[in-house]
Amino acid sequence: DAEITQSPRHKITETGRQVTLACHQTWNHNNMFWYRQDLGHGLRLIHYSYGVQDTNKGEVSDGYSVSRSNTEDLPLTLESAASSQTSVYFCASSESLGTDTQYFGPGTRLTVL
Amino acid sequence: GQSLEQPSEVTAVEGAIVQINCTYQTSGFYGLSWYQQHDGGAPTFLSYNALDGLEETGRFSSFLSRSDSYGYLLLQELQMKDSASYFCAVRAMIKAAGNKLTFGGGTRVLVKP
Repeated sequence: DAEITQSPRHKITETGRQVTLACHQTWNHNNMFWYRQDLGHGLRLIHYSYGVQDTNKGEVSDGYSVSRSNTEDLPLTLESAASSQTSVYFCASSESLGTDTQYFGPGTRLTVL
Repeated sequence: GQSLEQPSEVTAVEGAIVQINCTYQTSGFYGLSWYQQHDGGAPTFLSYNALDGLEETGRFSSFLSRSDSYGYLLLQELQMKDSASYFCAVRAMIKAAGNKLTFGGGTRVLVKP
């Protein structure tokens, strides 16, 4: 069965370190998204991609970057982790044609000390 | 831009009916979606209203009124397993928005015995 996975599921790091969160989907979807979820803020879009070599900034992109070298993967990098980036991160994907249905990964809980 | 407002929390007993409202301010969107998220889990797609009116899927129904800038999710015959957070979301009807979703802040539903 097709799926979307994230790794690691839990990560503790220190302020200033570079961190990369992995997202891998086997749906063969062109669209992939990264969200962060904090209490009281719902899901906020960080970065997204509509295909290989395409990346776009979301509403809270400062301090984050993504790259899309193939259809299956969209890794999220925190260039220099800050305590304000402690959050739960979700990756999602959707089909190319206009759709409101996104499939979410299980999430990564990141703690920055 | 888009802005969606939901109540933060609703409590009800098993067997009851709960209505979760979603009011929005947006210049135009394709439809209103609803996602469910259990504690510690990932958001999962529940329903979608492209047109005004009621859509029914088992115990859950969703409603949209574009003229009133309002929608709701109706949970009937509440079960303990319905305890979760529920998010409304829209996809803006502008080319730049692509397949991005904007989420409301979420409503936490607590079902009591």
